[in-house]
Amino acid sequence: GAGVSQSPRYKVAKRGQDVALRCDPISGHVSLFWYQQALGQGPEFLTYFQNEAQLDKSGLPSDRFFAERPEGSVSTLKIQRTQQEDSAVYLCASSLRQGNYEQYFGPGTRLTVT
Amino acid sequence: AQKITQTQPGMFVQEKEAVTLDCTYDTSDPSYGLFWYKQPSSGEMIFLIYQGSYDQQNATEGRYSLNFQKARKSANLVISASQLGDSAMYFCAMRGREDSSYKLIFGSGTRLLVRP
Repeated sequence: GAGVSQSPRYKVAKRGQDVALRCDPISGHVSLFWYQQALGQGPEFLTYFQNEAQLDKSGLPSDRFFAERPEGSVSTLKIQRTQQEDSAVYLCASSLRQGNYEQYFGPGTRLTVT
Repeated sequence: AQKITQTQPGMFVQEKEAVTLDCTYDTSDPSYGLFWYKQPSSGEMIFLIYQGSYDQQNATEGRYSLNFQKARKSANLVISASQLGDSAMYFCAMRGREDSSYKLIFGSGTRLLVRP
C-alpha cells in the first residue's frame, strides 16, 4: 500500500505568513507524529496524536505552532506568523498502534522562511 | 531524560568493506528500543534495524547488524560489504516509556560516504 505522504514537498514563505503542512499517514495507522529537522541535525519531536486525540504537544516550540487531526487520519501542522528560525524540514511519521511499533516516515516538507 | 550521542559527524569507507557507526545512549527507563534510520539526500527516513532493551541477541537485517552493549549503553550499527548506495546520513534513535507518546529521540547523525 501507499506510504506516508506529505504536501507540499517544498514551501517558501515570507516572514510573517501563515503556512499549513499536510500529512497523510498510512491507512489504518493509529499513531501520528510530527518532527522538525533543522539543517544538519537530527529530527526533533513536535507533537503526537493517537487517532484524533493530541496526547503530547510538548515539543511545539511556541504557540505559533498548532497541529490537528480531526478525523483521526490526515493531520495538518500550522505555523502562524512564520519566523526565519522556523526554516526546517517537517517530517510526519505514523505507526500502526501506540507502543513500541516502527514509525514510517514521509518525505518531509522543506519550509524556507525568507 | 533520554539522550542519544553520535560522535562521528562524517565517515568514509571503501566500497565492499565493513563500517561501524557509533551510537551511545542514556536513559533511566528499563524498557526501551533502539533504532537506526538512513536518510538519503532525497530526505525520507528509512528504517534499518531495531533492538529492544530486553533482546538477548544482537539484531541483524541483511547487511546491517546492531552491536548492542547494554552495560556500555552503546548500540553501534555495522554495515557489511558497503555499497555506493549506502552513502547517506545515518541516525540512531531511541524510544522509551518515560512518557506515553513513544516519540523517537534522535542523535545528530553520521554522514557516510562510500568510495568506489
